[in-house]
Amino acid sequence: AQSVTQPDIHITVSEGASLELRCNYSYGATPYLFWYVQSPGQGLQLLLKYFSGDTLVQGIKGFEAEFKRSQSSFNLRKPSVHWSDAAEYFCAVGLISSGSARQLTFGSGTQLTVLP
Amino acid sequence: EAQVTQNPRYLITVTGKKLTVTCSQNMNHEYMSWYRQDPGLGLRQIYYSMNVEVTDKGDVPEGYKVSRKEKRNFPLILESPSPNQTSLYFCASSLGRDNSPLHFGNGTRLTVT
Repeated sequence: AQSVTQPDIHITVSEGASLELRCNYSYGATPYLFWYVQSPGQGLQLLLKYFSGDTLVQGIKGFEAEFKRSQSSFNLRKPSVHWSDAAEYFCAVGLISSGSARQLTFGSGTQLTVLP
Repeated sequence: EAQVTQNPRYLITVTGKKLTVTCSQNMNHEYMSWYRQDPGLGLRQIYYSMNVEVTDKGDVPEGYKVSRKEKRNFPLILESPSPNQTSLYFCASSLGRDNSPLHFGNGTRLTVT
């Protein structure tokens, strides 16, 4: 069965600093990979996704993520964090063999705090 | 506006009292799913539905029921709630095809005493 590990439960950065959130997955083949963001009291919003092709994907709000097959990783990055980026971030893995990403496995999340 | 609507947002109930959390989407999505979110565990899938009258178990289906009589609605039913079902619940939908992202509702916070 696939699994997703987000090793950092909580990360604190200063506004304007760079950010990298880690995600490692365990799956036998190339999976669908997603990053979602959850603001307080809200549902999850898709930041970006990877299915195939270019391993560096761009998302909304200035985020990007790089798929590294050799490391089974899909880390999320942002060069300059804004105070509004404070939220919880979830990495997710979807089954590719089923033909759709209907069965997503989520990581446990990383809470991001942004200092002024 | 395209959206997934869950009701209620907050619900406090007692053990054993049947309840239903409604979920409706206006995007004509084929695929719908329920998740529960618990601290340190991320989101875990309860049930999902690929289309009308087609439902299947996710990772944590025990104690829950669902139905998909119409394409837009996917209610979550707790026949006899227990305190371990206290959680934050999310409904989500998607086109169901390759690459289609999930659209989430704003969540229902359930407390079972």
